Amino acid sequence: SQTIHQWPATLVQPVGSPLSLECTVEGTSNPNLYWYRQAAGRGLQLLFYSVGIGQISSEVPQNLSASRPQDRQFILSSKKLLLSDSGFYLCAWRGPHYTFGSGTRLTVV
Amino acid sequence: GENVEQHPSTLSVQEGDSAVIKCTYSDSASNYFPWYKQELGKGPQLIIDIRSNVGEKKDQRIAVTLNKTAKHFSLHITETQPEDSAVYFCAAAPGANNLFFGTGTRLTVIP
Repeated sequence: SQTIHQWPATLVQPVGSPLSLECTVEGTSNPNLYWYRQAAGRGLQLLFYSVGIGQISSEVPQNLSASRPQDRQFILSSKKLLLSDSGFYLCAWRGPHYTFGSGTRLTVV
Repeated sequence: GENVEQHPSTLSVQEGDSAVIKCTYSDSASNYFPWYKQELGKGPQLIIDIRSNVGEKKDQRIAVTLNKTAKHFSLHITETQPEDSAVYFCAAAPGANNLFFGTGTRLTVIP
């Protein structure tokens, strides 16, 4: 069966520090992968998606970047975090339907 | 792009009563409409979905209806239980890599 792993679960980072969130999928090959952000009390906003290794599409201009170094690995990064980057970040893959990871709560202080 | 609106933002019902959450979408190209349940601190979990070639789908106490002409779809939960309390999100997909979400409904089932 397919599973999606996301870590860390929580993260507190100072403004200006770098960020790296990792997502991996097991049990499938060449998945479409997605990064979403959920602000407090808001819906989910698509940040990036990837249809294959090295292929990244960005949906909104922002302080973040994404990379897909391996087939089943999707990484969300930032060189310098802003306060506005705080939120709940979710990784997802698209099989018969979209399946989400358990999320990372990022607080930038 | 697609715009999904969801109402109400909060909903409280007595245990055993029904709950209805409504969503509208703007892009007539949308053809897939999932509903997700999100519990505190967790990722959203798919509870039911419907495609544009179907008007209604039911899974035990949960049902979804779709009106393509009016561009709206609804989630119906019957015989609500306390464990149904969560935030529910609707979504619409106009393309293979686009899933647009509503802003969520916080459902509280009062025992």
